[in-house]
Formats: sequence, structure tokens, C-alpha cells
Amino acid sequence: DTAVSQTPKYLVTQMGNDKSIKCEQNLGHDTMYWYKQDSKKFLKIMFSYNNKELIINETVPNRFSPKSPDKAHLNLHINSLELGDSAVYFCASSLRTSGDHTDTQYFGPGTRLTVL
Amino acid sequence: AQKITQTQPGMFVQEKEAVTLDCTYDTSDQSYGLFWYKQPSSGEMIFLIYQGSYDEQNATEGRYSLNFQKARKSANLVISASQLGDSAMYFCAMRGRGAGSYQLTFGKGTKLSVIP
Repeated sequence: DTAVSQTPKYLVTQMGNDKSIKCEQNLGHDTMYWYKQDSKKFLKIMFSYNNKELIINETVPNRFSPKSPDKAHLNLHINSLELGDSAVYFCASSLRTSGDHTDTQYFGPGTRLTVL
Repeated sequence: AQKITQTQPGMFVQEKEAVTLDCTYDTSDQSYGLFWYKQPSSGEMIFLIYQGSYDEQNATEGRYSLNFQKARKSANLVISASQLGDSAMYFCAMRGRGAGSYQLTFGKGTKLSVIP
């Protein structure tokens, strides 16, 4: 049983295209996240959703738009892809509704996006 | 603002030996959580261990233990009896309270190589 799943695992596309990455969690968690890991392995939060509502939207270009149809899903749509968008994108989820530093985040397997 | 510092870009350890991965942090929060994640070459992010700032005892999970020294703001990961499968990137992360509690702040990681 996969706890946090992402599709696709690999995504290769041309500059200027629009693409989506899907994320689903079957843990019954209330909060979901998108992180970006750059070529130097540095991980940074992009978005956080709590019960389908956006909580955090870090300084991310508005070409990136998260969509949460229900609390088990958080998809990432990217418009007009650029070379600099090439990275690994991780979805994560955690249990609690309110911010709690004890709340562990569990990560999906990641999606490696390559923009040519 | 929160900051995590991992000063060891790479470490080597002999199989069956113990190894300590360093992590120091900076935060103005009184209450926070510290996490370690493992990222093998396959790319997934695996949660290893958690330590709360008010926990009096150091956290342990199997061969992993967290050497928490609050006054020094350090949260080092100790892996005992290293195995070849421990070769991976290791990330230290923290989570505060309030608005900052919805995200993890990561260090740059330490690449551990276990030598047979």
C-alpha cells in the first residue's frame, strides 16, 4: 500500500509546454505539501494545503498552480515551462489540521521534471 | 526565520561502525520539532526520527538515535552498526510553531557512504 503516491515519476517536456503532476495520499491526512528539490539537492517548500485550502504559497512564480479537489489529492499544474523548472518535485502529507511542530510529514517518491 | 546547517557535505564510514551526522539549527521559536530524513539513490525521502524541543530524552528508532543538545542548538544523528544500505543523503529539518509550522526547513544534506 503506497501512502503518498505521485504520477508521473519522470516527466520530460519542451520549454513552453504546460504539464501537471498528480499526488494522492491514503493516510487520511489533513495537510498536503509540494516541495522542490534543485540540482544541488536543496529542498524548499512551495505550497501547503490544509483541508483543500491554501495555507502557504512561498515565492513561487504564478505559472505554478496547486489544485486540491479533495483532501486526499493535491495536484501541481505548471504553465509555460522554463529550463529553470527542471527539478525533482515532492509531494508530502501530514496528519493534523492545525500547525503543530510534532506533526511528521511523509513524502511521495518524487517526480523528476526535465525541461528541454 | 529558521535555519538548518549541515556542515558535512560528505562522510565515509566503515561497515559495522557508528557514525554521527552533524546538524545545528537556529530559531526564535520556543517550541519546535527536529526531523531527519534519508534519501537513497533511488530518490525517495524516508522519515527516520523526530525530536521535540521539550522532550527530555533523546529520541531513538532502532539503529538511529538523535543526540539533542538544546543549549548548543544541535541535533546530531547517530547511526550505529552501519550497513551498506545506509549509504544515502541525510537531511536534517525543523518545524516551528505558528505560521512556520506548516513547512519543514531543510539543511543542505550530508552524503554518507558506507565502505565494506
